[in-house]
Amino acid sequence: DAGVTQSPTHLIKTRGQQVTLRCSPKSGHDTVSWYQQALGQGPQFIFQYYEEEERQRGNFPDRFSGHQFPNYSSELNVNALLLGDSALYLCASSEDRDGYGYTFGSGTRLTVV
Amino acid sequence: AQSVTQLDSHVSVSEGTPVLLRCNYSSSYSPSLFWYVQHPNKGLQLLLKYTSAATLVKGINGFEAEFKKSETSFHLTKPSAHMSDAAEYFCVVRVYGNNRLAFGKGNQVVVIP
Repeated sequence: DAGVTQSPTHLIKTRGQQVTLRCSPKSGHDTVSWYQQALGQGPQFIFQYYEEEERQRGNFPDRFSGHQFPNYSSELNVNALLLGDSALYLCASSEDRDGYGYTFGSGTRLTVV
Repeated sequence: AQSVTQLDSHVSVSEGTPVLLRCNYSSSYSPSLFWYVQHPNKGLQLLLKYTSAATLVKGINGFEAEFKKSETSFHLTKPSAHMSDAAEYFCVVRVYGNNRLAFGKGNQVVVIP
């Protein structure tokens, strides 16, 4: 049973560009959350998607947006990239009716130069 | 708001000696608490979770944690460290009312041969 799959694994972008990160949840999971992990820090919640809608959002600017597709996969988009957006972006999937079973992907390492 | 505090950002232990990672939580409600481990360039792996059942929780790889309400603590222990335990460890609380996670800053564990 495949876990959470994220792509790409590494990415280098230039300031001002836009980036799209992708996540396929674990089989049977319908909820996808995104986290940003800056170097040396714990992950910070960005937002969560359920039933193709953003259900809740952390303290991130509107440059961060997302989408969930009917097959529960999800994308994270970041516009107008800043150097400070350099981080590991983690996707976590869960089953909505079970609030305790989170599965994390290995992440996408984004470097903004 | 719920949060967790991890002291000792860097912990060094000798192989074969006990591991103790401290976590204190802040919550107005009965919390759901987790410990995750992150090996270099890897995603987050769940070690164990507390969800208001038994206060002593056993996890994978010989780790366990004890929930102590009187001390608002959820410390992680292992009787004998192994080289493969070298990693970063995060104490995490599930935010009440939704299923987002709030992470501590992490403990970087180094195991000395």
